[in-house]
Amino acid sequence: GIQVEQSPPDLILQEGANSTLRCNFSDSVNNLQWFHQNPWGQLINLFYIPSGTKQNGRLSATTVATERYSLLYISSSQTTDSGVYFCAVAGVGDYKLSFGAGTTVTVRA
Amino acid sequence: GAGVSQSPSNKVTEKGKDVELRCDPISGHTALYWYRQRLGQGLEFLIYFQGNSAPDKSGLPSDRFSAERTGESVSTLTIQRTQQEDSAVYLCASSLDYAGDPYEQYFGPGTRLTVT
Repeated sequence: GIQVEQSPPDLILQEGANSTLRCNFSDSVNNLQWFHQNPWGQLINLFYIPSGTKQNGRLSATTVATERYSLLYISSSQTTDSGVYFCAVAGVGDYKLSFGAGTTVTVRA
Repeated sequence: GAGVSQSPSNKVTEKGKDVELRCDPISGHTALYWYRQRLGQGLEFLIYFQGNSAPDKSGLPSDRFSAERTGESVSTLTIQRTQQEDSAVYLCASSLDYAGDPYEQYFGPGTRLTVT
């Protein structure tokens, strides 16, 4: 199956700092989603971005499908941004998502 | 509109007992998925339902696991003779699905299963 690698595994930020999370995948995809898992375990949809660039408030994401990676940018981080960020992909012709191991983000006040 | 709902939110059971987990997808979503998340890990796919097509059961870890879906609505995941390694959060997701085009998946809050 398709392999998904996320980096870094852990990230500690001071409130107000910017950061970049990376997701590499091993094959062509037709679905790529970024999620934020909050402390209660709920997966919050951030972006559906199999290609291109999107922005939503302080968050933005870019997927370069030809080079098999995606980046999630967090700007002016807040303590509420803390949690685990997952990248998940589905290969061409597939529907099930394969998840990376996640990046645990801790934002300190 | 309402999101994906799951029940119960928490379930503690004794080893060897059967459990049934329920998922209500977003209204109008024809595709439904079950995933499992073990402690500190990412999610792993279990099963996929799409309309009246035969489900994709390729992710079910053993024959103790089964799932059903009534039409395009409620799904139940059943685990028979539970084992301690079944302890995990079981998450359900739903999406639109037309002619195989990928659509964004939306997840429910999960059921935390603890087998003692």
